[in-house]
Amino acid sequence: EVQLVESGGGLVQPGGSLRLSCAASGFTFSSHWMYWVRQPPGKGLMWISRISSDGSSTTYADSVEGRFTISRDNAKSTLYLQMNSLEVEDTAVFFCARAHPISWHFDLWGRGTLVTVSS
Amino acid sequence: EIVLTQSPGTLSLSAGERATLSCRTSQSVRDNHFAWYQQHPGQAPRVLIYGATTRAAGIPDRFSGSGSGTDFTLTISRLEPEDFAVYYCLQYADSPRTFGQGTKVEIK
Repeated sequence: EVQLVESGGGLVQPGGSLRLSCAASGFTFSSHWMYWVRQPPGKGLMWISRISSDGSSTTYADSVEGRFTISRDNAKSTLYLQMNSLEVEDTAVFFCARAHPISWHFDLWGRGTLVTVSS
Repeated sequence: EIVLTQSPGTLSLSAGERATLSCRTSQSVRDNHFAWYQQHPGQAPRVLIYGATTRAAGIPDRFSGSGSGTDFTLTISRLEPEDFAVYYCLQYADSPRTFGQGTKVEIK
């Protein structure tokens, strides 16, 4: 089955760290650019980071630049998001998403993992 | 950054009615790199339309997308019960990718 499954969310104190994972299956992971998108409770979607298919190029939203690091292990078909210096405003469901290799839209999403930053 | 503004914020309709959702962008979206997504509570977004007008695999033909440049429209010709959800537009022409704030289609 073609799918993305996120894990690693949970409750963390402000200033803390968390590492999210996104396990891909059913397709050639190494052929796709991958993205992280977050959604605060009751709010809309916001792109936060992307990584090229070979991992050589990464980009971040201004709100997470310097605090979050995206990476991937193509041998394990897994995407990661290392989140440091977490703030209350980072509380959200985090989704990983796959970019279509030709049309570039987000054509496959995981179900998301909830990150709660609170003291 | 391209800003996407969706209207209306909420659309109250009955099953069988036609829904028309709008998304306006602050700059022209090149190559029609524009998509529509549907999201039910607690679920991941699902792509409905990409390239502004192309239905994604498995999407019923009651969903259609139109527009170009800075004005885009999603039309649901006859609402089915499962269509009541939140809809987001996305531009993927430029970085950062940006979404609209969403339109909620609710049962009247």
